[in-house]
Amino acid sequence: QVQLVESGGDLVKPGGSLRLSCAASGFTFSNYYMTWIRRAPGKGLEWVSDTSGSSPYTNYARYADSVKGRFTISRDNAANSLYLQMDSLKVEDTAVYYCARVAGHCVITNCYHYYYMDVWGKGTTVIVSS
Amino acid sequence: QSALTQPASVSGSPGQSITISCTGTSSDVGGHDYVSWYQQHPGKAPKLIIYDVTNRPSGISTRFSGSKSGNTASLTISGLQAEDEADYYCTSFAGSSSLVVFGGGTTLTVL
Repeated sequence: QVQLVESGGDLVKPGGSLRLSCAASGFTFSNYYMTWIRRAPGKGLEWVSDTSGSSPYTNYARYADSVKGRFTISRDNAANSLYLQMDSLKVEDTAVYYCARVAGHCVITNCYHYYYMDVWGKGTTVIVSS
Repeated sequence: QSALTQPASVSGSPGQSITISCTGTSSDVGGHDYVSWYQQHPGKAPKLIIYDVTNRPSGISTRFSGSKSGNTASLTISGLQAEDEADYYCTSFAGSSSLVVFGGGTTLTVL
């Protein structure tokens, strides 16, 4: 069945780095935009970053202002995996990080996204603390 | 990337109906029919319950419905059940700089 499984969350000191992974299964991974969303303790959901699947917008990525310049999203379509490289971590980055599939459709070889997430992983916890 | 405005909490008794509002601007909620709603139980992943303002994914109860008027979208849950107790989030398209913008979330308590 369609599934997303995150890993890589850990306790890290401020200024440190961490790489989150998301393993996808049950669907053609390369056809979909993918996104990272987080929920900090006591707060609501926050969109973090998203990236395109394949054509026509290969390697397209964008970021929330709060993480721009510190986080890097990437994917390996051959490995059906999504990643989030998190550098210069701050205490306020403490959160549960969710990987999610952005709903979309493909026309021949070009794939486009809608504006909602139809499949979510269970999340991985990142704690930034000294 | 300003957040959409939702009430922090709403409550209702079993069998009643409740409505959660999601207020934005003409640049997001009011300007596009790309509002979606998610349900999140404690310790669980969010779950899509409404997309494109009014559409329900397969498997979502007809007790959940969505609507929009001007810059405010709404989620209505009818025939409240204990299992509906959860956090609810709205999102909207808000321009090319982000995928979506989230509302602050609403905690629903079933009395």
